[in-house]
Amino acid sequence: QQQVKQSPQSLIVQKGGIPIINCAYENTAFDYFPWYQQFPGKGPALLIAIRPDVSEKKEGRFTISFNKSAKQFSLHIMDSQPGDSATYFCAASRGSARQLTFGSGTQLTVLP
Amino acid sequence: DADVTQTPRNRITKTGKRIMLECSQTKGHDRMYWYRQDPGLGLRLIYYSFDVKDINKGEISDGYSVSRQAQAKFSLSLESAIPNQTALYFCATSANYGTVPWSYNEQFFGPGTRLTVL
Repeated sequence: QQQVKQSPQSLIVQKGGIPIINCAYENTAFDYFPWYQQFPGKGPALLIAIRPDVSEKKEGRFTISFNKSAKQFSLHIMDSQPGDSATYFCAASRGSARQLTFGSGTQLTVLP
Repeated sequence: DADVTQTPRNRITKTGKRIMLECSQTKGHDRMYWYRQDPGLGLRLIYYSFDVKDINKGEISDGYSVSRQAQAKFSLSLESAIPNQTALYFCATSANYGTVPWSYNEQFFGPGTRLTVL
């Protein structure tokens, strides 16, 4: 049972476009929502994260939008660049154990 | 030098063989994790350890075992490998930020081991 559902599976945009990746969760006990970025041949790395007490967080060109009532959160990449081409994973965790439950991933391609 | 290292980086083995994947870290973190990554399924937690004496099963522990030899070392074993264990395996570490509800838990991943079971 997948507790965090991610879409789309793949996404192609032109340079300068604004790709949006969406995630939905079921467990209302989740209280931390990170996004990880993975380049080919590398392990995932934390990109940006949000807590459920805020609706938006920006770090550079990356923004998380969070809708607690809908149990959804999304990643927006402003002015996307070819170097942003990677696989993006949303995740969620809860409690002191802090285990991460990952979404299925989105392969983003930014065309030059 | 990499903070989280995994050996081997690639391994091809045969059904029924025992295999061990090793993870070492120099970050000084207490918590270590093993995940497997499959296309379309994301990363799934196999086992995690909060210290040398605290090891816990994750979402998909069947067919796997682990050993925490030291704070810095966490090994994953497949006692009798089968083809559906073919996957990319990642080790990760994190610090213990305590029980503050909003404290985050950034996990630092190794480069991965690509395992093929024939």
